[in-house]
Amino acid sequence: NFMLTQPHSVSESPGKTVSISCTRSRGSIASHYVQWYQQRPGSAPTIVIYEDSQRPSGVPDRFSGSIDSSSNSASLTISGLKTEDEADYYCQSYDSSNWVFGGGTKLTVL
Amino acid sequence: QVQLVQSGAEVKKPGASVKVSCQASGYTFTGYYVHWVRQAPGQGLEWMGWIDPNNGGTSYAQKFQGRVTMTRDTSISTAYMELSRLRSDDTAVYYCAGGDIWFGVYWGQGTLVTVSS
Repeated sequence: NFMLTQPHSVSESPGKTVSISCTRSRGSIASHYVQWYQQRPGSAPTIVIYEDSQRPSGVPDRFSGSIDSSSNSASLTISGLKTEDEADYYCQSYDSSNWVFGGGTKLTVL
Repeated sequence: QVQLVQSGAEVKKPGASVKVSCQASGYTFTGYYVHWVRQAPGQGLEWMGWIDPNNGGTSYAQKFQGRVTMTRDTSISTAYMELSRLRSDDTAVYYCAGGDIWFGVYWGQGTLVTVSS
């Protein structure tokens, strides 16, 4: 199997742009879609990006996703940061029908 | 609107079993896989497996093979996750998530399972 590695935490100011990376340990990042989930304290996760770069309805276009084969990683970018974006973010992919989650990144908006 | 409503919190002794339910509404129950994901206190998300409500097919994470059983009752649009031989490190919030086989779109509110003697 493989692992997905995320930074433990990132912080940025309101109105700025932040990117969270998710690096796949083995196999190509492009081989299976990557999803991103937002989890606010005390709440269930919600999906903000699916299939690498698709936004579910209701998710602001400030959220975008991409993959980079050269670094074998995926990225979640949030522009125009708001205090409400402060949350934990998890990347997720799969292999042989098994899900794999990254360890999560705590985003602080200060 | 789509909702997944889970059963309430449970307290179990080590060695016991727990069965968590997840009732779907607002969509065709057999149209989405149901995944189970858990989160230990202060920790990240851990995938446990899925069930296909259409035919009852399952796939479990290797870590839980032999201890987890996922079932469904299509007559009441409900999926179940039973975990046996509970240990203290099974203390976690357990979530169900409905969606594609590859990702979860709709999530339940979570069920806290506490394992303590």
